[in-house]
Parts: sequence; structure tokens; C-alpha cells
Amino acid sequence: DQQVKQNSPSLSVQEGRISILNCDYTNSMFDYFLWYKKYPAEGPTFLISISSIKDKNEDGRFTVFLNKSAKHLSLHIVPSQPGDSAVYFCAGRVNTGFQKLVFGTGTRLLVSP
Amino acid sequence: NAGVTQTPKFRVLKTGQSMTLLCAQDMNHEYMYWYRQDPGMGLRLIHYSVGEGTTAKGEVPDGYNVSRLKKQNFLLGLESAAPSQTSVYFCASSFTIQGGAYEQYFGPGTRLTVT
Repeated sequence: DQQVKQNSPSLSVQEGRISILNCDYTNSMFDYFLWYKKYPAEGPTFLISISSIKDKNEDGRFTVFLNKSAKHLSLHIVPSQPGDSAVYFCAGRVNTGFQKLVFGTGTRLLVSP
Repeated sequence: NAGVTQTPKFRVLKTGQSMTLLCAQDMNHEYMYWYRQDPGMGLRLIHYSVGEGTTAKGEVPDGYNVSRLKKQNFLLGLESAAPSQTSVYFCASSFTIQGGAYEQYFGPGTRLTVT
């Protein structure tokens, strides 16, 4: 029962173009969604989040969009840079006393110069 | 400020051997977590702790035990390692943030191979 799905295992984009990473979810109990970025041999690092009552959150080059009716969110990176090459994980937060994160399987982004 | 550190970084065990993975954080976080990451799967929660002296099971707790004797440390034990426990293990910690975004800070991971 995979509650958070990232159906694209990989994505290749040219430097300067837009990267769009997608995530679908099935659990309506998620109250926040978070994106984490992971470089090889390192732990994931927090990138950006969005509340389930919002439809957009922007932080510099990173914007996350949430479509609750479709149970879909996406992360836009504009413009993409080679340093953005990493694995990106989408996660949903369930808040039932203990705040638990449910992670997707990740999308590997490669930004070529 | 080292953040979250994990010891060791790599380990190879034989089936049936035991070991303990150590996680330490210097951010005074109440919550700590142990995850495992396997190819083609997201991070899965093994055990977690909401404070010193308390632990609870996550999604995949079988074959693991944990202890949180000090607020800054969270230990993950494998009593009798099995090849199915070959994985990369991540520790994380966080504050108890209410009404806001929820950010966990992760350690660099421990790559464990059980032969």
C-alpha cells in the first residue's frame, strides 16, 4: 500500500530549463507535503514544504504546486542548475499525535550543462 | 554544530552476528527516528522516539531494537543479522513542531551488508 508515489524514476533536463518532478498520493490525511533532496553518500536534506490548505509555495528557484482534487503535487525548479542533480523525495505528513512522514520512492534528476 | 552523526559509516556482517548503530544529534531535538532505504523504495520508518526513555515501532520494526537512554542519542540494534537487513540506514531528528512545516534532519547514513 504505497501512499505516496513518484512514478518517474529519473528525469534529464538541460541547464537553464525547467525541471518538473511529480508526486501522487492516496492518503487524504496528509496535512503537509515536503520535498527532500539527496546527494550520493549523504542523508536527505529538506528543500521545501506546502500545507494541504495551500495550492502553491515558492522559495527562490523552487516552487511546489498542490492539486488536492487530483491528489497530485509537483516541484518546479527554474532555472535548473547542474548542482540540482540529485534524488528528490516527496513525503506526506500524517499528524495523529505523532507526526509521521511517508516517503515516495524518489526521482533522480540529472541536469546537464 | 555537527547536526546528526551516525556511526559507523559502513559495516559488513555475517548472518547471525549482532551490531549496534549509533545516532547522535546536538540540536536538542525531542524526536528521533531510524529509517532504512532499499533500492526502488522510499525511506521506511523502523522505530522512532518522542523523548528520552521512550521508543515506538514504525512500519518495519521486525528484527530491530532501539534504545534512547539520553536525549541526544538513539541506538539501533540488530540482534541476529539477516541478509534481508542489507540496506542503508538513516537516522533523523526533529523538534515537535505544531502548526507548521515538519522538518526532519538526517544523518549521512550507514551502509550495512549482511552476507
